[in-house]
Amino acid sequence: QVQLVESGGGVVQPGGSLRLSCGASGFTFSDYDMHWVRQDPGKGLEWVAFIRNDGRNEYYADSVKGRFTVSRDNSRNALYLQMNSLRAEDTAVYYCAKDVRLQGFDYWGQGTLVTVSS
Amino acid sequence: EIVMTQSPATLSVSPGERATLSCRASQSVRSNLAWYQQKPGQAPRLLIYGASTRATGIPARFSGSGSGTEFTLTISSLQSEDFAVYYCQQYNNWPPWTFGQGTKVEIK
Repeated sequence: QVQLVESGGGVVQPGGSLRLSCGASGFTFSDYDMHWVRQDPGKGLEWVAFIRNDGRNEYYADSVKGRFTVSRDNSRNALYLQMNSLRAEDTAVYYCAKDVRLQGFDYWGQGTLVTVSS
Repeated sequence: EIVMTQSPATLSVSPGERATLSCRASQSVRSNLAWYQQKPGQAPRLLIYGASTRATGIPARFSGSGSGTEFTLTISSLQSEDFAVYYCQQYNNWPPWTFGQGTKVEIK
């Protein structure tokens, strides 16, 4: 069965960095585009970043552009989100999600909490 | 950027009753719309894609309709496990992929 497992969250000071990972299993990872989506505790969903299945294209939300970098290692079935220059407003649960073209995000991980606070 | 607006923010429904949730897009997204269910402490779960196609394993009491800018999610007879927050999402014009702000379905 499809599994997505995020890790790497934690508490970081403003201006700091963190790298999130998402391990994938149960499907051919290299065939699918992937996303990061975040959710401020108690609030709605915000799309953060996209990476194409072959890693050749990336897109970012304006709120994180220039600070976050998405990458993937298809040989390790892993997705990453490098977060630099973190701000208090980046505090959220971060989910990785699998994209099926023209069918939305069909699987999500359980999320990892990032807290930016001094 | 396409803005997705959901209404109402909260819907109070008794078990066994029908729930109707609305989602409006700021411009046409054709049928490239999905609905997700999220329970407290859990990740979102895909319910509907293509505006009206149920995802794998989703019960038939969930149905979606609409195209263009107006969409509806209907839960025909609410079960206890259906009380949750529901989000619509467009994937027609991207980036960004955009979500509505959510509708909370609570027990009346």
